Amino acid sequence: AQSVTQPDIHITVSEGASLELRCNYSYGATPYLFWYVQSPGQGLQLLLKYFSGDTLVQGIKGFEAEFKRSQSSFNLRKPSVHWSDAAEYFCAVGARTGANNLFFGTGTRLTVIP
Amino acid sequence: NAGVTQTPKFQVLKTGQSMTLQCAQDMNHEYMSWYRQDPGMGLRLIHYSVGAGITDQGEVPNGYNVSRSTTEDFPLRLLSAAPSQTSVYFCASSHPKVNTEAFFGQGTRLTVV
Repeated sequence: AQSVTQPDIHITVSEGASLELRCNYSYGATPYLFWYVQSPGQGLQLLLKYFSGDTLVQGIKGFEAEFKRSQSSFNLRKPSVHWSDAAEYFCAVGARTGANNLFFGTGTRLTVIP
Repeated sequence: NAGVTQTPKFQVLKTGQSMTLQCAQDMNHEYMSWYRQDPGMGLRLIHYSVGAGITDQGEVPNGYNVSRSTTEDFPLRLLSAAPSQTSVYFCASSHPKVNTEAFFGQGTRLTVV
């Protein structure tokens, strides 16, 4: 069965501190992985995606994620968090063709304190 | 470039009423989907379509109908609204070629009283 687990419901970090958001997945085929960010009252914006190749992928806003097949993980990282990064973050897994039928995690809400 | 447009943004319905959530995309994407977002549950797939005239059920299809008569539009119909359908609904589209991502609309917040 396909599923995505984001074990941290809420994380609080200080501005300038590093960040790591965890994501573990279960998927019956080759996984194609995504991180989306959602600001309050807004839609979802793609941060980055992994389809194949280099397991460390770079995204927008200084985010990166590392795909580890042996651990079924795709953790999101940022070296220095900015106050504007406060949002909810979703990890998702889907098929290679038409990233249409995505399985989402329950999300991690990030709070940034001055 | 509008992308994926959802209307309305907010809606309040009474139990038993019907309504249609509209979704339109201008990117000529063949794939379109509807998701609902509930607190603590992430997004769950309701229905999806891989092209005009072709639709299929997702994870939580009960209580919802869809049709796809054009590439651009993918409306979601609630035939008899129930309080359990109170949620935020997102429409998404993507190109069918490999290695693509989904583009999401801004969402429709629906409350059923």
